[in-house]
Amino acid sequence: AQSVAQPEDQVNVAEGNPLTVKCTYSVSGNPYLFWYVQYPNRGLQFLLKYITGDNLVKGSYGFEAEFNKSQTSFHLKKPSALVSDSALYFCAVLAHSGGGADGLTFGKGTHLIIQP
Amino acid sequence: EADIYQTPRYLVIGTGKKITLECSQTMGHDKMYWYQQDPGMELHLIHYSYGVNSTEKGDLSSESTVSRIRTEHFPLTLESARPSHTSQYLCASGWGRAGELFFGEGSRLTVL
Repeated sequence: AQSVAQPEDQVNVAEGNPLTVKCTYSVSGNPYLFWYVQYPNRGLQFLLKYITGDNLVKGSYGFEAEFNKSQTSFHLKKPSALVSDSALYFCAVLAHSGGGADGLTFGKGTHLIIQP
Repeated sequence: EADIYQTPRYLVIGTGKKITLECSQTMGHDKMYWYQQDPGMELHLIHYSYGVNSTEKGDLSSESTVSRIRTEHFPLTLESARPSHTSQYLCASGWGRAGELFFGEGSRLTVL
């Protein structure tokens, strides 16, 4: 079974400060890892993914994430937060192989609030 | 912009009514998914399809049913809606195992 934990329901950051949204995962074997963002009353938008290779992945809107295999983490980061980054962020995981659906397993989401 | 569309965006109906939520994508993706999401909460996979005439139930048990008669179309049906079905339903499509999913805007269903 695969699972994702996002330990913080909400993260508050002042505009211009760096931000981190935490994600840890559990999966058999190697993982595919994803970050999505959801604005109010909208669907999810893809931000970035880790498949293999470089542990630091760069994505849309200046976001990046670092894959840490020993800590089974995939934290989302941005050097300088914008008020427009305020949204609900989801981490998701999928095992490279295995039975069952290959739909992503999502974390419960983290509300990111950027204060002006 | 992802080419995946859901209708209706919002639906308020009475208990016992039959409803169908439509989902269409123009990207030629074989894989399509339905997720259920309570407002501001996590997503739960309820149905998926790997292609025409392929449908499977997901991790979360659901009284809804789906069909996949055409590649681009993956409708979800509730034969008799109940208040417990009130939720947001998100449709997604994708390619391969490592490809990202593209999501529709969602259908928010309220059953009175």
